[in-house]
Amino acid sequence: DGGITQSPKYLFRKEGQNVTLSCEQNLNHDAMYWYRQDPGQGLRLIYYSQIVNDFQKGDIAEGYSVSREKKESFPLTVTSAQKNPTAFYLCASSNRQGNTEAFFGQGTRLTVV
Amino acid sequence: GENVEQHPSTLSVQEGDSAVIKCTYSDSASNYFPWYKQELGKGPQLIIDIRSNVGEKKDQRIAVTLNKTAKHFSLHITETQPEDSAVYFCAATSPAGFQKLVFGTGTRLLVSP
Repeated sequence: DGGITQSPKYLFRKEGQNVTLSCEQNLNHDAMYWYRQDPGQGLRLIYYSQIVNDFQKGDIAEGYSVSREKKESFPLTVTSAQKNPTAFYLCASSNRQGNTEAFFGQGTRLTVV
Repeated sequence: GENVEQHPSTLSVQEGDSAVIKCTYSDSASNYFPWYKQELGKGPQLIIDIRSNVGEKKDQRIAVTLNKTAKHFSLHITETQPEDSAVYFCAATSPAGFQKLVFGTGTRLLVSP
């Protein structure tokens, strides 16, 4: 089945630790995205990548980092510099040509303990 | 950049009633307007989308209307069912450069039996 897979579903992190969220897609999409979702604030863009080995900051990139070494993979690292990392993180992918549907993963809920 | 406002934030209806969710956007160049449905603990899924060369689009009980002059678009759900209960997000994207979806803050729809 084609789709986009995020892991883990739940993640707990101690303060001061970095943590990496996984996102893999087998849809052959060029573009991939990371969004953060907080109650009442919709989806806010953290980082996006149009093509392998290239990525751009979104609206709330501070405290996060990404890599795009393979077309299928776009991992997100939440660093200790992120002041309020507890949130629901969503990864998405889409075709690069034109405006088309973005497919979302099932999300990772990160909790700082 | 683009800004999308969505109203209402919560909407309660009785089963069988109609529900309407409204969004406004700021960038007159935006030309793609998707609507996503998000069930609890899951990622958003596209339910319908519309492009700026069309004023209305229907898919069974769901319809979307677009008023480019006023820069607003609406989601209409008729004959609502309890399984329509979810959070609905509108989004808009500008054709300038790379497709970057900007989301509204979401509407929590509750359909009571």
